[in-house]
Amino acid sequence: DTEVTQTPKHLVMGMTNKKSLKCEQHMGHRAMYWYKQKAKKPPELMFVYSYEKLSINESVPSRFSPECPNSSLLNLHLHALQPEDSALYLCASSQALLAAPETQYFGPGTRLLVL
Amino acid sequence: GENVEQHPSTLSVQEGDSAVIKCTYSDSASNYFPWYKQELGKRPQLIIDIRSNVGEKKDQRIAVTLNKTAKHFSLHITETQPEDSAVYFCAASKGIIQGAQKLVFGQGTRLTINP
Repeated sequence: DTEVTQTPKHLVMGMTNKKSLKCEQHMGHRAMYWYKQKAKKPPELMFVYSYEKLSINESVPSRFSPECPNSSLLNLHLHALQPEDSALYLCASSQALLAAPETQYFGPGTRLLVL
Repeated sequence: GENVEQHPSTLSVQEGDSAVIKCTYSDSASNYFPWYKQELGKRPQLIIDIRSNVGEKKDQRIAVTLNKTAKHFSLHITETQPEDSAVYFCAASKGIIQGAQKLVFGQGTRLTINP
């Protein structure tokens, strides 16, 4: 299996809702990433987990809460979002070998609309 | 922190002609430079990458060149085809830090191949 999968593909939520995005990979990768991508813009890094521990938090608001239950799964819990949080949320993974630069593989994304 | 600038923002070429996209980076410690292609509504996909110990890399119709002294790298696509139409993102990274690799993306180039 050489793919990163994400569910759901689309999500519409109100500002008072709680929802979760899910990402899964079975490539044995030990680093997993959440990116946010607005229309016509590049992906922006939000969080990185390495060996199931939070390694990087790019000063993301607390209404976004990441979770890495095991080495194959990555969740993003959403609560009290704002309309400006509407975007494509991309998950990515990489091997996390020591020191060497490596390829990040992206999932198809979840397109989120906050009303 | 790292800053990556990408030019042009849009590029239109005739089918069969060549296309060149250029990026500059600010952090001399960056050592990994991937290029991603993103078709409308799809995930970013790696098309080629280059490490700082190499000046040029080629894969069929796609090539990337790196000038470390000038801190710029370029994507070259020869014999362009309609399916090359997409948004292309360059990125730069300083490699693996704390088990994670932070990619800083350029703003993207929308490439259109005219039949």
